[in-house]
Amino acid sequence: GAGVSQSPRYKVAKRGQDVALRCDPISGHVSLFWYQQALGQGPEFLTYFQNEAQLDKSGLPSDRFFAERPEGSVSTLKIQRTQQEDSAVYLCASSLVETNSEQYFGPGTRLTVT
Amino acid sequence: DQQVKQNSPSLSVQEGRISILNCDYTNSMFDYFLWYKKYPAEGPTFLISISSIKDKNEDGRFTVFLNKSAKHLSLHIVPSQPGDSAVYFCAADYGGSQGNLIFGKGTKLSVKP
Repeated sequence: GAGVSQSPRYKVAKRGQDVALRCDPISGHVSLFWYQQALGQGPEFLTYFQNEAQLDKSGLPSDRFFAERPEGSVSTLKIQRTQQEDSAVYLCASSLVETNSEQYFGPGTRLTVT
Repeated sequence: DQQVKQNSPSLSVQEGRISILNCDYTNSMFDYFLWYKKYPAEGPTFLISISSIKDKNEDGRFTVFLNKSAKHLSLHIVPSQPGDSAVYFCAADYGGSQGNLIFGKGTKLSVKP
């Protein structure tokens, strides 16, 4: 079956531009997570949805980051006024239940801010 | 302050031998642990997990051991194969109402033919 898909795979943005990153989770998966992975680091949690409800956004680094999942399936991570420090791989993951369950990751979107 | 630590950035092993990847954690509230494998330009792929009520879980060539008193887990790969060459991430889950995983920085495993 289809796994988690993300688009675009690569994005180059000039500093100050807004970007939108899309995630299509595995069908039927209740939980959806966004992570940020800097070079040489492990993924770091950004935000978590259970269906359409955003239950935890404690990992979002600033108010320039915004995520939504309006119908409980596809999710979009938006970054406004991008800065160079936003350059990273943004990973989306989904899981069948919210905890104690393996999360399935998409291939990620590599964002480069110039 | 890292809650999940993988202190070896890299490991090189001969094909057919055992690979042992280590992970330490600091938070005793973690109750579920996972290992992920990651190839370049791909997302992490789930490998194996273990609940805190167990001390061992085995799946084919992969075995994870958990030592709760030492807050230490390890992944054993036997026998190692060149296709196992990847970055391995250890991750921990708080359980309860929080679902996000806390990852280590990863260990790059190279299996040489």
